[in-house]
Formats: sequence, structure tokens, C-alpha cells
Amino acid sequence: DAGVIQSPRHEVTEMGQEVTLRCKPISGHNSLFWYRQTMMRGLELLIYFNNNVPIDDSGMPEDRFSAKMPNASFSTLKIQPSEPRDSAVYFCASSGGDAGLSYNEQFFGPGTRLTVL
Amino acid sequence: DAKTTQPPSMDCAEGRAANLPCNHSTISGNEYVYWYRQIHSQGPQYIIHGLKNNETNEMASLIITEDRKSSTLILPHATLRDTAVYYCIVINNNNDMRFGAGTRLTVKP
Repeated sequence: DAGVIQSPRHEVTEMGQEVTLRCKPISGHNSLFWYRQTMMRGLELLIYFNNNVPIDDSGMPEDRFSAKMPNASFSTLKIQPSEPRDSAVYFCASSGGDAGLSYNEQFFGPGTRLTVL
Repeated sequence: DAKTTQPPSMDCAEGRAANLPCNHSTISGNEYVYWYRQIHSQGPQYIIHGLKNNETNEMASLIITEDRKSSTLILPHATLRDTAVYYCIVINNNNDMRFGAGTRLTVKP
């Protein structure tokens, strides 16, 4: 398996533009997570899905952020409009455990480094 | 989920054992202890997890105290490639992992 795939790996955009980050989880995994990492705030959980359904989006910073998982093999994180303070590395992770099981090994993708000018 | 406390940084000599402590004094009975690490510019990587018993795998050993209020991750023979930030996370049966600041381990030659 190729692992969790994220695209693009690097994104540079200007303030006010829409940004879409993409993630393909490991085949067979039924949980997917979006994280954001900055020097100031560390690694933060933004949202996670279980069986394509959003379970907890309390970490999404504001309405400019939205995430979708239309099927088991694809998810997007969209920022519209983007702002310089959104600059960060965004990680996607997937796991094979359903909520209620003890095994929470999450497999992380390589991340997307976003720079908003 | 219970909060964890880790030292911000540690050094270890190459080839020696690295012992990374974690305090989780408010852990509850159904919460597991998970360890992840993040090597520079990469995504976090799962290392090991445990509930009550000590655990060992090909990467590390996890020692959990009898009262479960603290644990230690042991890398038996640290190499330069083990230089990373190590995160101790306490989580129950949901998937909602919250990463703290972790311990920055530097393995020195």
C-alpha cells in the first residue's frame, strides 16, 4: 500500500484565494483525520470522519474552513477565503479502527505545506 | 481525555537507551497510553500503546506504572535516526487524539 496520499505537497497562494487540500486514505481504513501544525500551536486536530461521516469538527477554526469526505477513498479540506494566518502544514491521517475499539494507530500522510501570502 | 506532561527536551548518546517519561495522573480506567514520534518535516508515526501491562515491539518498550499515573517509553539502543519529537497521548475508545508539545529527543554521536 502506498500509505496516505496528500496533494499538493506544497501550496503557495495569495490572501483571499480558495485553497483545496486533498487526501486519499489507506484502502480499507474507515476513519480519516485532518490536522494542522504550526510552530505556535503545535499539532491540532481539525476534524475527523468515521465511515465518511464527520464525527467531531470542533477543531475547525472558523467558517472559512470546511471538510468533506464524499467516499471512503477521498477527502478534501477547503479554506475559503484563505488568510496569512492559515499558513501551516496540514496533515491527513487514517486508521482502521471504528470508534469503540481500542486500537488507534493512525497513519499520517506526508503533509501539505501551505503558505498564504 | 487525560492530559499528559512531558519534559520539553532530552539528550541521549548514540547506542544508549533513551528513556522518555510521561505523567498522566488523571488517567481513567478505560484510557490507553499511546506514543507517537515525529521526525523533522514528516508526519507523526505510531510507536506503541498500552493499557496496564508493559508492552514491547520492534521499535520500543512501554513501561506503565502500577497506578497508571505515569509511563516511560524506552528506545533500547538509540540511533541518530531516532532524533525526533516524541508525543505521549492518553485516549479512550474514541479516535480523538490530542497531541501536546511532546519531548524533543536529540541523539548525539
